[in-house]
Amino acid sequence: QVQLVQSGAEVKKPGASVEVSCKASGYTFTNYRMHWVRRAPGQGLEWMGVINPTGGSTTYAQKFQGRVTMTRDTSTSTVYMELSSLRSEDTAVYYCVRGGAVAGTSSVFDYWGQGSLVTVSS
Amino acid sequence: DIQMTQSPSSLSASVGDRVTITCRASQGISNSLAWFQQKPGKAPKSLIYGASSLQSGVPSKFSGSGSGTDFTLTISSLQPEDFATYYCQQYNNFPFTFGGGTKVEIK
Repeated sequence: QVQLVQSGAEVKKPGASVEVSCKASGYTFTNYRMHWVRRAPGQGLEWMGVINPTGGSTTYAQKFQGRVTMTRDTSTSTVYMELSSLRSEDTAVYYCVRGGAVAGTSSVFDYWGQGSLVTVSS
Repeated sequence: DIQMTQSPSSLSASVGDRVTITCRASQGISNSLAWFQQKPGKAPKSLIYGASSLQSGVPSKFSGSGSGTDFTLTISSLQPEDFATYYCQQYNNFPFTFGGGTKVEIK
C-alpha cells in the first residue's frame, strides 16, 4: 500500500533553515510527482510547490520563490523540502502529497504524508 | 492566482442531515476541482477529484458536482465521523489554491 512517511517535528529560530523529508513506499517513486502543502495554526491549506522525481524539475509558488528548495533521492525514494530564512509565520504543519502521474497531465492529489510540525520561535 | 471561495465557512448540522458546501473559483477551471476532509490533528484525506469522481475507498454518501467556476460537495446523510473541516482545491493552474475551508460541527 502507498505510504508517505515524513520526518519528525522541528523547532527552529528565526532566520534558520529547516529540511523536512518524505519517504515514499508502495509504488514506483519516479512515476508520480510530489507536492508540498502547509497549514499554519488557524489557517487553511497552502500549496508550496511540486517536484518531478524523474528529473528533479520543480515548480514553486511565487510566495516561496527564493526560500524553498525541493529535491529528491531516487535511491531511497525520498523527497526533501528545505525552507530557509524562517520567520514566525512559517510555523505550520508541512505535508507531502502524491499528485499526478509523471506520464500524464493530471495533478490529482491522492495520498498524504502524516505531516511534520515546524515551529519557528526565538 | 485563482481565488477559491467556499461557503459557508462553518455550519452546524445533525446526524442524518444532508449537507451542501459550495466553492466558487475566480475564473474558469474546467473540472479541475478536488475536495478534502481534515480532522483535528490529522492529515487531510482526499475525497473527490475531477469535481465529481470519488477517490478509491470514499463512501458514496459524498458527491461532487459542478464545472467552470461553481462547484458543490454534498454529504447525503451526515454521520458522526463526518464532522470535520472540508476544503476545495483547484489544480487547473499553478499555483494550486485552496478554499478557506468549511467547518462542519454537531448541532
